[in-house]
Amino acid sequence: GIQVEQSPPDLILQEGANSTLRCNFSDSVNNLQWFHQNPWGQLINLFYIPSGTKQNGRLSATTVATERYSLLYISSSQTTDSGVYFCAVERSGGFKTIFGAGTRLFVKA
Amino acid sequence: DTEVTQTPKHLVMGMTNKKSLKCEQHMGHRAMYWYKQKAKKPPELMFVYSYEKLSINESVPSRFSPECPNSSLLNLHLHALQPEDSALYLCASSRHTEAFFGQGTRLTVV
Repeated sequence: GIQVEQSPPDLILQEGANSTLRCNFSDSVNNLQWFHQNPWGQLINLFYIPSGTKQNGRLSATTVATERYSLLYISSSQTTDSGVYFCAVERSGGFKTIFGAGTRLFVKA
Repeated sequence: DTEVTQTPKHLVMGMTNKKSLKCEQHMGHRAMYWYKQKAKKPPELMFVYSYEKLSINESVPSRFSPECPNSSLLNLHLHALQPEDSALYLCASSRHTEAFFGQGTRLTVV
């Protein structure tokens, strides 16, 4: 099956710093999403981005489908950005969404 | 409205109990999912329903029994669970593109 690798696994930032999270996938995908899981377990949709670039406030994402990777940029980080960021992909022809292992982010005040 | 509602939020059950988890969405999505998430791990797919029919069962033990009564509802019936089944159970729905998740049911089996 398709492999999804996220890096780094853990990240500690000072408030106000910028960061880049990476997601590599081993095969072509139909769908790609970025989620933020808060401490209460809720998975919050950040981006639906099978290709191209999107921005939403301090967050932006880029997926280069031909090279099988996606990047999530967090600028001017805040303590409320802490949590786990997941990349999830779905191959064509099915509903099987596969999650990467996640990047655990902690933003210090 | 992008809301998927799960009940209950928390559940403690004994190994001989029978309980059910419920999930509801009103976005017109025709695919609905159950995921299991253990601590410090990513969600793992359990079941997928497409147009109210079970389309994917990821070799889940029979003590977990899914049911899709209609296009808006998804249940997960639990019976004779083991302590290692304690986890966060997440429901999701999608319409071939973006998936939306409920807030989960945190299950503890004692």
